[in-house]
Amino acid sequence: NAGVTQTPKFRVLKTGQSMTLLCAQDMNHEYMYWYRQDPGMGLRLIHYSVGEGTTAKGEVPDGYNVSRLKKQNFLLGLESAAPSQTSVYFCASFPTPYGELFFGEGSRLTVL
Amino acid sequence: SQQGEEDPQALSIQEGENATMNCSYKTSINNLQWYRQNSGRGLVHLILIRSNEREKHSGRLRVTLDTSKKSSSLLITASRAADTASYFCATSRNSGGSNYKLTFGKGTLLTVNP
Repeated sequence: NAGVTQTPKFRVLKTGQSMTLLCAQDMNHEYMYWYRQDPGMGLRLIHYSVGEGTTAKGEVPDGYNVSRLKKQNFLLGLESAAPSQTSVYFCASFPTPYGELFFGEGSRLTVL
Repeated sequence: SQQGEEDPQALSIQEGENATMNCSYKTSINNLQWYRQNSGRGLVHLILIRSNEREKHSGRLRVTLDTSKKSSSLLITASRAADTASYFCATSRNSGGSNYKLTFGKGTLLTVNP
């Protein structure tokens, strides 16, 4: 039981490049979230999903897209990376709205 | 804007002392949770308190919730150097239908000196 796995763990991009972060969970959780963490800003919600085939915007969705084609996977895409998207990205999942979040170890992205 | 705000931003204590962190929030909630993050790692769930609960204990942790003041506190008793980490509160609220958002504060950095 791996829990929540994020790939890649580190990535360096040039401005304008695109990439996809993959989050995979093996706990059969309905809810999956993507957060970004920046110094002094805490965690901010980018997008989230309440089930397979559904997505919704969080606090800071601009510049990101997401897809939840399979229940166990939640993809976060950057179509045209900008330096402002340099951050640590965390994926989290939970089974019900009333429970705890299970976090991945994070993906550190640097955009030059 | 973020729902939860922790106070203080940083706290430095000696091993064996108690550490208290506070969290304030703005709107009604379903529950409030506390998480811990060691440097460079993901967040780990510590404790959850529901909106109809006032106090909860887990080992050396004690959490209180005052919904009238929209605030919560986390007390760590008999702190250890291994408790050094950032602590975050997160509030869960229903934003319509089956949409639930967990929003986090900016965290309190706790340093426990040996």
